[in-house]
Amino acid sequence: TQLLEQSPQFLSIQEGENLTVYCNSSSVFSSLQWYRQEPGEGPVLLVTVVTGGEVKKLKRLTFQFGDARKDSSLHITAAQTGDTGLYLCAGTFNQGGKLIFGQGTELSVKP
Amino acid sequence: DSGVTQTPKHLITATGQRVTLRCSPRSGDLSVYWYQQSLDQGLQFLIQYYNGEERAKGNILERFSAQQFPDLHSELNLSSLELGDSALYFCASSPRGRQGASEETQYFGPGTRLLVL
Repeated sequence: TQLLEQSPQFLSIQEGENLTVYCNSSSVFSSLQWYRQEPGEGPVLLVTVVTGGEVKKLKRLTFQFGDARKDSSLHITAAQTGDTGLYLCAGTFNQGGKLIFGQGTELSVKP
Repeated sequence: DSGVTQTPKHLITATGQRVTLRCSPRSGDLSVYWYQQSLDQGLQFLIQYYNGEERAKGNILERFSAQQFPDLHSELNLSSLELGDSALYFCASSPRGRQGASEETQYFGPGTRLLVL
């Protein structure tokens, strides 16, 4: 059974601070996706990574995929109040298969 | 807007009833996935269809069933509803398999919030 551990579960920071969210598995990901979800709405895709060692940037967000494709991180620089939300990592362990989700990181950025 | 549509947005019903949730994938996407999100379980995979055929099953209850139609829209049927079935139900679609596309990304719809009273 593939399990995906995401940490931290909760994060409360001040505007302007940096933060990192981690996603780990004991199995190799076929692909890994990061989503952001607002209450009562569907997850919105931020990025997909598939290649070990891959780094992708989306404005102030930096996503890294571990060389062994078993871990990933999301780093936010100079957080803003608009970054508040639930961040989810989700991985596939075989091509075209179901997504296994982490429990999510509830981020609160205070002004 | 992901391009995936789901109806209805909200559904309130009573225990023992049956409901149908509908999903239209992004144009041309052949794969449809259904997920359930509850407070205590997080997002859980239910079932996958690919071009009309069931491809994979997760922890889907026997009271739940799904199908994908020739026009690629999908329906999730929930019967003999129980209080614990109250949750958000999401549909996602993926371009993988379409014209040889290898993209793994799944795009989620806005969800259906089901409340069983």
